[in-house]
Amino acid sequence: AQKITQTQPGMFVQEKEAVTLDCTYDTSDQSYGLFWYKQPSSGEMIFLIYQGSYDEQNATEGRYSLNFQKARKSANLVISASQLGDSAMYFCAMKRNSGYALNFGKGTSLLVTP
Amino acid sequence: GAVVSQHPSWVICKSGTSVKIECRSLDFQATTMFWYRQFPKQSLMLMATSNEGSKATYEQGVEKDKFLINHASLTLSTLTVTSAHPEDSSFYICSASDRAVFSNQPQHFGDGTRLSIL
Repeated sequence: AQKITQTQPGMFVQEKEAVTLDCTYDTSDQSYGLFWYKQPSSGEMIFLIYQGSYDEQNATEGRYSLNFQKARKSANLVISASQLGDSAMYFCAMKRNSGYALNFGKGTSLLVTP
Repeated sequence: GAVVSQHPSWVICKSGTSVKIECRSLDFQATTMFWYRQFPKQSLMLMATSNEGSKATYEQGVEKDKFLINHASLTLSTLTVTSAHPEDSSFYICSASDRAVFSNQPQHFGDGTRLSIL
């Protein structure tokens, strides 16, 4: 069975600073993928970045990058140059191998301050 | 990019009413759609997997007679909350993938439906 753990219920960061949101996971699968989604207060789920277990390089998408440490089973999201619009809930997720639905962590609420 | 439309975005109704929520994939065919429920300040929990042309697969603890799912076409899945009660009040959100078998394909989410039962 899979398990996604996000240990930071809430985080604060000052505008223009970088912030790291933690995600650890547990799976018995050899091949797997990890996703990060952003959920603003309006509720929609916005896909940010994907990391495959066999990807040799850490994923990057604009200001988002993933610090993937396979041996430690961690996939932390790094947001560089934070903006006020980054204030939202952030969820780490893994796709099930059976049925392909997503298992989500509990999420981290990020507040970017001026 | 792929777009998923969900309607309505907000529903307020009396206890005992049945409510239908639609989830449409606008520019791709979705053989599989997923329905999640999210209570305030909690994570998304999978309710059921909706497969076109077959019965939905429900997660343990989800009442299939209360949450009816129909996936009649490759672009539309509906969730009907039958005889809704205040404890059914929640945020319901659907997602779809045009190639669910490929693990690196992100799911595309609708904007969600906030359901409030009075």
